[in-house]
Amino acid sequence: DVKVTQSSRYLVKRTGEKVFLECVQDMDHENMFWYRQDPGLGLRLIYFSYDVKMKEKGDIPEGYSVSREKKERFSLILESASTNQTSMYLCASSLPATYNEQFFGPGTRLTVL
Amino acid sequence: DQQVKQNSPSLSVQEGRISILNCDYTNSMFDYFLWYKKYPAEGPTFLISISSIKDKNEDGRFTVFLNKSAKHLSLHIVPSQPGDSAVYFCAVVGSQGNLIFGKGTKLSVKP
Repeated sequence: DVKVTQSSRYLVKRTGEKVFLECVQDMDHENMFWYRQDPGLGLRLIYFSYDVKMKEKGDIPEGYSVSREKKERFSLILESASTNQTSMYLCASSLPATYNEQFFGPGTRLTVL
Repeated sequence: DQQVKQNSPSLSVQEGRISILNCDYTNSMFDYFLWYKKYPAEGPTFLISISSIKDKNEDGRFTVFLNKSAKHLSLHIVPSQPGDSAVYFCAVVGSQGNLIFGKGTKLSVKP
């Protein structure tokens, strides 16, 4: 059974803190993605990666960075958390072919106070 | 500027009836379309897809229709069940292989 796991379901951090969100997939997928979901805005792509050590900016990369040191793990980093980064963060993975479906993790609800 | 539009934020349907969720896109070069379903506190799950060489794809109670000239697709659920209550996202495959999502439509199926 395919699985994408995220390190935390709920997280509360303070403004200015450095925040790490971890995502692990066990399907040997090359592609991994980070989205945020906000009411009325749908899912917006933050960063994605096609391979280890590779990263590409999505639609809203400002304030975020990513790390992909191993194929199965893709980390999202908030260098200095701000209140407007309070959101639901979703990780996904897929096989390399363009038309393969993405499998999503359960999400991390991050609140920045 | 939104490339994928779901203009109805919500839809309420009686159990047993048909649910029709709509989606419009702006770029005629898009050639693969997907629908995802999302329950609260869970990640989205893939539901059904269609490529631009087809105008219809069916999977059980779910059918997706594609009208390329109108740049419009729709998801039909027949018959609707209370367990179908969720947020439905339309998505297209972008030029970099990423997914571009609409804002979602919240479907409520009432018993």
